[in-house]
Amino acid sequence: DIVMTQSPDSLAVSLGERATIFCNSSQSVLYSSNKKSYLTWYQQKPGQPPKMLIYWASTRESGVPDRFGGSGSGTDFTLTISSLQAEDVAIYYCQQYYNAPYTFGQGTKLEIK
Amino acid sequence: EVQLVETGGGLIQPGGSLRLSCAVSGFSVSNHYMTWVRQAPGKGLEWVSVIFAGGTTYYGHSVKGRFTISRDNSKNTLHLQLTSLTAEDTAIYYCAREGTAPDAGFRGVDLWGQGTLVTVSS
Repeated sequence: DIVMTQSPDSLAVSLGERATIFCNSSQSVLYSSNKKSYLTWYQQKPGQPPKMLIYWASTRESGVPDRFGGSGSGTDFTLTISSLQAEDVAIYYCQQYYNAPYTFGQGTKLEIK
Repeated sequence: EVQLVETGGGLIQPGGSLRLSCAVSGFSVSNHYMTWVRQAPGKGLEWVSVIFAGGTTYYGHSVKGRFTISRDNSKNTLHLQLTSLTAEDTAIYYCAREGTAPDAGFRGVDLWGQGTLVTVSS
């Protein structure tokens, strides 16, 4: 199975500042045929199901604010929130879709400093 | 309205069985990849199972051989049969639709239900 490891486990950032979350996969999730990395980012707020933010490592889901950005390829990925807003307090998860089982990272809890 | 509504959760004794259902509205369950994801209390997300539009299924290692995903196209419903339950299966179980793109495959879950809580305890 592909093991997804996120860092840090928790993060406190001041409002308006940049927040960066990392995700590493134990093997590459890049399909050579289409050059897409099958890595998705989700946001989960308390008491709610997750919400997809970014897919294929860097494509923003429709309706997601452009302060959310994804980058990376192969095994190392980054989710960046360019200017943290109060409503961004949540737990963020990465997930790989390269091979079943489609494993999640352990989550990163983002708080306001 | 496009939505997923899970039912069937509850309190079950260790070793018991339970069948979760997910009523799908607004789209056809037979035309999409459908997934179950679970979340133990205070813990992270765990991928459980997927059924492809063509019927192929996959399972996470912790549930393989004990859980069975299926769908009823006539009732537009997704199911998850849980057997040999242990306390480690206690979780909110989410029904979810996988978003896909033509010729590019999975994008990620683009629609989630609100979840149903399964509690395994004596």
